[in-house]
Amino acid sequence: KQEVTQIPAALSVPEGENLVLNCSFTDSAIYNLQWFRQDPGKGLTSLLLIQSSQREQTSGRLNASLDKSSGRSTLYIAASQPGDSATYLCAAGNNRKLIWGLGTSLAVNP
Amino acid sequence: NAGVMQNPRHLVRRRGQEARLRCSPMKGHSHVYWYRQLPEEGLKFMVYLQKENIIDESGMPKERFSAEFPKEGPSILRIQQVVRGDSAAYFCASSTLDSINEKLFFGSGTQLSVL
Repeated sequence: KQEVTQIPAALSVPEGENLVLNCSFTDSAIYNLQWFRQDPGKGLTSLLLIQSSQREQTSGRLNASLDKSSGRSTLYIAASQPGDSATYLCAAGNNRKLIWGLGTSLAVNP
Repeated sequence: NAGVMQNPRHLVRRRGQEARLRCSPMKGHSHVYWYRQLPEEGLKFMVYLQKENIIDESGMPKERFSAEFPKEGPSILRIQQVVRGDSAAYFCASSTLDSINEKLFFGSGTQLSVL
């Protein structure tokens, strides 16, 4: 049974810092690994999707890596901004279902 | 192009009543997913539907819960005889293709509160 864990559960950083969010999963037989952002009252926004055959994906200041053999993914946020404050969720894609972590709550302080 | 629309945003029901949650996918999307987020828990898959077909309902509770996606109109998640444990945020997502690696677009969710 797939389980997804995210650490840390919460993170508070000053503006401008580079930071890394971690995600681990127990079953390496995944189709993809996805990162989402959740803002209160605004639903979820897809950030990056890494297919199982890929090692990383980049979008702007975001870079996500995938290491299936070790069951890990990291989300790297460069030059963090207060607007990045949100909860970041990772989800392991198992066919058409997503198995979710509990998220990392990020606060970027001006 | 409007995003995924869910309504109502907030729904309050008393125990034993019925709850109907609606989801209109993005224009051109014919695949709908429902997820539930219980307090202090992660999101859990409930059901995957295409127009007029339930493809995977392995995450749906066996009783009281049903879902449909008719040829015309929104997808409906129906919860009969609600109990306090049904209180949660219910999210709908849609996609264009039946592809494992297709990005999902989520709505803002319906917060169900059962008194």
